[in-house]
Amino acid sequence: SQQGEEDPQALSIQEGENATMNCSYKTSINNLQWYRQNSGRGLVHLILIRSNEREKHSGRLRVTLDTSKKSSSLLITASRAADTASYFCATAQGSSASKIIFGSGTRLSIRP
Amino acid sequence: NAGVMQNPRHLVRRRGQEARLRCSPMKGHSHVYWYRQLPEEGLKFMVYLQKENIIDESGMPKERFSAEFPKEGPSILRIQQVVRGDSAAYFCASSGGMQETQYFGPGTRLLVL
Repeated sequence: SQQGEEDPQALSIQEGENATMNCSYKTSINNLQWYRQNSGRGLVHLILIRSNEREKHSGRLRVTLDTSKKSSSLLITASRAADTASYFCATAQGSSASKIIFGSGTRLSIRP
Repeated sequence: NAGVMQNPRHLVRRRGQEARLRCSPMKGHSHVYWYRQLPEEGLKFMVYLQKENIIDESGMPKERFSAEFPKEGPSILRIQQVVRGDSAAYFCASSGGMQETQYFGPGTRLLVL
């Protein structure tokens, strides 16, 4: 089964609203990353949060990590139409942390 | 500084043919990863390579699939005797070292007829 599972699977909000996506994982991690994928395109790395960090910001993005609950959240503030995409959390596993395990993604739609 | 490059972007093969997917990592990166994505799903790890070495191939199917990253040239993911179930998007990523951010290429979309 997938290591990372995003919730919700699909989210539709009005432009300007905030979007929150959650991710749960099962095993211990070295770090957790969020990626965005526009339809039919490659992945764009958004943000990486290490296991000893609790919160990280990048522009309109805010990521939290709760290792006790094995969960992470991605908040996009003041959403824009261009934020419409699928968002994946990914966890690095293994002694080398080289294997990235992706969740099934949240499909975010921003209504104009 | 060019990003990760993959070619071809689209590949059509008939059942039984061979598919060769190429990946050139970002300049200065010596770690390459291959992932497969089925429609409406997340990416699934296939293999992790460094120059001339396979480090982790735990996600590779046991048969028909192979990968290499030679000293010179791009990394190659090779699928022999393709079947319809091999139809997917195949993404390559590269990093400058272990535990560093992986940067993804645009992917190769393989369609098996």
